[in-house]
Amino acid sequence: QVQLVESGGGVVQPEESLRLSCVASGFTFSSYGMHWVRQAPGKGLEWVAFMRYDGSNRYYADSVKGRFTISRDNSKNTVFLQMNSLRTEDTAVYYCAKDRGFLEWLKYMDVWGKGTTVTVS
Amino acid sequence: EIVLTQSPGTLSLSPGERATLSCRASQSVRSSYLAWYQQKPGQAPRLLISGASSRATGIPDRFSGSGSGTDFTLTISRLEPEDFAVYYCQQYGSSPPITFGQGTRLEIK
Repeated sequence: QVQLVESGGGVVQPEESLRLSCVASGFTFSSYGMHWVRQAPGKGLEWVAFMRYDGSNRYYADSVKGRFTISRDNSKNTVFLQMNSLRTEDTAVYYCAKDRGFLEWLKYMDVWGKGTTVTVS
Repeated sequence: EIVLTQSPGTLSLSPGERATLSCRASQSVRSSYLAWYQQKPGQAPRLLISGASSRATGIPDRFSGSGSGTDFTLTISRLEPEDFAVYYCQQYGSSPPITFGQGTRLEIK
């Protein structure tokens, strides 16, 4: 079945770095764009970043631009989120999510992972 | 950036009742590019509706979406116990950035 599994979360201090991974299975990973979405404790959803299926374009929320980098390895069905210069306000559960669009960016998410927790303290 | 405002913040209803959740955009959402998600405690969000009114695969027909422009509605015709959760709207007509509403908590009365 279609599945996304995140890993790499943990507890870090401010200004440190962390790299999240998300492994996909059950669909043709190289044909779909991938998102990262986060949720601070007790708060709502915040879109973080998106990368097109072929890696040709990346987009970021203003809150992370210049600090976070999304990348992907289609040979390993994996999308990454490199997070540098972490701040306390980056504390959240980070979800990776599959874009609904096949070979296009439809900009909404039809499959979500269970999330990985990042704590900056 | 389009700001989405959901109301009410919390909705208290009983199983079997009808739920009406609202999502208002700060400017018109192009081509009704609006989605709804359901999130239960400790779980990831689940896509319910896209294109303002199209149910995702496997979503029961008691869930329906409507609206256009700046005003959108998610309706649950007859609440089942498993429907009590938090619901988010998301616009994707004018992005990036992709934006979500702040959520409506649907709780058992």
